[in-house]
Amino acid sequence: SQKIEQNSEALNIQEGKTATLTCNYTNYSPAYLQWYRQDPGRGPVFLLLIRENEKEKRKERLKVTFDTTLKQSLFHITASQPADSATYLCALHGSSNTGKLIFGQGTTLQVKP
Amino acid sequence: KAGVTQTPRYLIKTRGQQVTLSCSPISGHRSVSWYQQTPGQGLQFLFEYFSETQRNKGNFPGRFSGRQFSNSRSEMNVSTLELGDSALYLCASSFGGAGATNEKLFFGSGTQLSVL
Repeated sequence: SQKIEQNSEALNIQEGKTATLTCNYTNYSPAYLQWYRQDPGRGPVFLLLIRENEKEKRKERLKVTFDTTLKQSLFHITASQPADSATYLCALHGSSNTGKLIFGQGTTLQVKP
Repeated sequence: KAGVTQTPRYLIKTRGQQVTLSCSPISGHRSVSWYQQTPGQGLQFLFEYFSETQRNKGNFPGRFSGRQFSNSRSEMNVSTLELGDSALYLCASSFGGAGATNEKLFFGSGTQLSVL
């Protein structure tokens, strides 16, 4: 069956370090993958989109990689700040799932000052 | 530009009742998707509407239904509420829909439904 897996355990890191979050998927052939940020009691907010033919995408302190062979995406936040503390969700759809963006469970990041 | 607006923000119902949730998408967006979010299951896709037509549906029972109006506003209805329906219900809009055009979704803040 199709699965999207993110580390369910919270990630605790020190301010200034790089946070790396993982998204693994099985039985999907996604055309692209998206990352969202969600704060408590709020809806997810879009961060980055990476296409299957792109290996890496950057936006300010954020970097996303997409390895279709490993079926994995890595999400990096460099020089992390306490304000980066939130839950990060990866989302994808395969070519057969038009209109359905499927989300992973999310990983909660806690950045300590 | 106003964001996605969901009403009400909080709702408390009892088992067996029905509930209607409302979503106003960003102006110009024609696709509205609904998701259920619970701590155990994460974000689960309910359905997507585009130009008043249901285009995609998730694996939820028929008690969950929705509709979209000509102004793209959407409503979601849950009948015969069960305790397990307690969740944050999120709606998201986009111009053409996440699947067809690789578009990102814009989410509302959700409606927190508690079923007692």
